[in-house]
Amino acid sequence: EDQVTQSPEALRLQEGESSSLNCSYTVSGLRGLFWYRQDPGKGPEFLFTLYSAGEEKEKERLKATLTKKESFLHITAPKPEDSATYLCAVQGAQKLVFGQGTRLTINP
Amino acid sequence: GAVVSQHPSWVICKSGTSVKIECRSLDFQATTMFWYRQFPKQSLMLMATSNEGSKATYEQGVEKDKFLINHASLTLSTLTVTSAHPEDSSFYICSAHEIGNTIYFGEGSWLTVV
Repeated sequence: EDQVTQSPEALRLQEGESSSLNCSYTVSGLRGLFWYRQDPGKGPEFLFTLYSAGEEKEKERLKATLTKKESFLHITAPKPEDSATYLCAVQGAQKLVFGQGTRLTINP
Repeated sequence: GAVVSQHPSWVICKSGTSVKIECRSLDFQATTMFWYRQFPKQSLMLMATSNEGSKATYEQGVEKDKFLINHASLTLSTLTVTSAHPEDSSFYICSAHEIGNTIYFGEGSWLTVV
């Protein structure tokens, strides 16, 4: 059974303090690993798709990396507006399997 | 970029009535759409996979007669909550798979049953 575990569950950082969020996964036949950002009361906003180990993608202060067992979402010099829940999901045969998310809070 | 639109964003209905939520892919065709339910401070729970032109595939524990899903075209899927009860109150989210690309989510629909 496909599984996704995200850590930590919650993370508080000061503005400008860089850190990383972890997504560990097991899946039969990875078709894609997805990162989404979700603000309270809204649908997930697409950030990245990674398809193979060694792949990296960047967008503004965010950088996603992928190995055969886990993915990291690195956030560099975060700002308060980066506060949100970050969701990781893997797609195996068909459906997406989500992790529980990491609630990130950036204090000014 | 690709956009998925849900309507309505908010709906209040009386217990025992039915309510329909629409999910549209605005600038791409989606042979597969997914419906999720999300409880406060929890992750998304997949309810069903909607395939254009065929019956939806429901996850274990999801009542197919209560949550009717229709994928009428390559850009539209609907979720109808029948005979709604207060325990059906939740945040419902759809997503659409752009072939050869990624999976995009709608803005979500808040359902309150009173």
